[in-house]
Amino acid sequence: QQQVKQSPQSLIVQKGGIPIINCAYENTAFDYFPWYQQFPGKGPALLIAIRPDVSEKKEGRFTISFNKSAKQFSLHIMDSQPGDSATYFCASRYNTDKLIFGTGTRLQVFP
Amino acid sequence: DTGVSQNPRHKITKRGQNVTFRCDPISEHNRLYWYRQTLGQGPEFLTYFQNEAQLEKSRLLSDRFSAERPKGSFSTLEIQRTEQGDSAMYLCASSSQTRRNTEAFFGQGTRLTVV
Repeated sequence: QQQVKQSPQSLIVQKGGIPIINCAYENTAFDYFPWYQQFPGKGPALLIAIRPDVSEKKEGRFTISFNKSAKQFSLHIMDSQPGDSATYFCASRYNTDKLIFGTGTRLQVFP
Repeated sequence: DTGVSQNPRHKITKRGQNVTFRCDPISEHNRLYWYRQTLGQGPEFLTYFQNEAQLEKSRLLSDRFSAERPKGSFSTLEIQRTEQGDSAMYLCASSSQTRRNTEAFFGQGTRLTVV
């Protein structure tokens, strides 16, 4: 019940494309849903986050869509750039503030 | 204070040796977390502190692992009698409990290789 399932495992797009990464959770107690970006050899960096009382949140080129009834949320990257090439992790927060991470999506954006 | 700091960045050790990692959180953050990340996987929760109190430990944290946060500031994670399966990136994160959306900020991690 604490799992967060993430797909796809990898994604290849051309510059300007809109990659979409999906996550599904099971535990309805989760109350906070962040996305992290990680470059090789670095720690995860918070990208954008949403709470379940909001269906969409946009920050710059990054948008989270949230579907509470389906227990799913997704990350959209508008006008993707080669510098966006990284691994992206969705996560869900349990009531003690412990994060449960998905398995990650490796994104490659080609010029 | 520019963020969460972890030392060392890399550690190579022989099987059976003990290792200790240090994490310095963002100064005003009262919560500190340890995660472990293996290649191709997401970070997995190990344990967390609120101030100096260790509030939760994962089943992943065997009795060879111990974490401390004396005085509620920096934290150490010690692994005794290391095994090859301990090879991973050990990540530290910190957050503040005082805000409703308690964002967790991660350090650069310590890459452990057990040979």
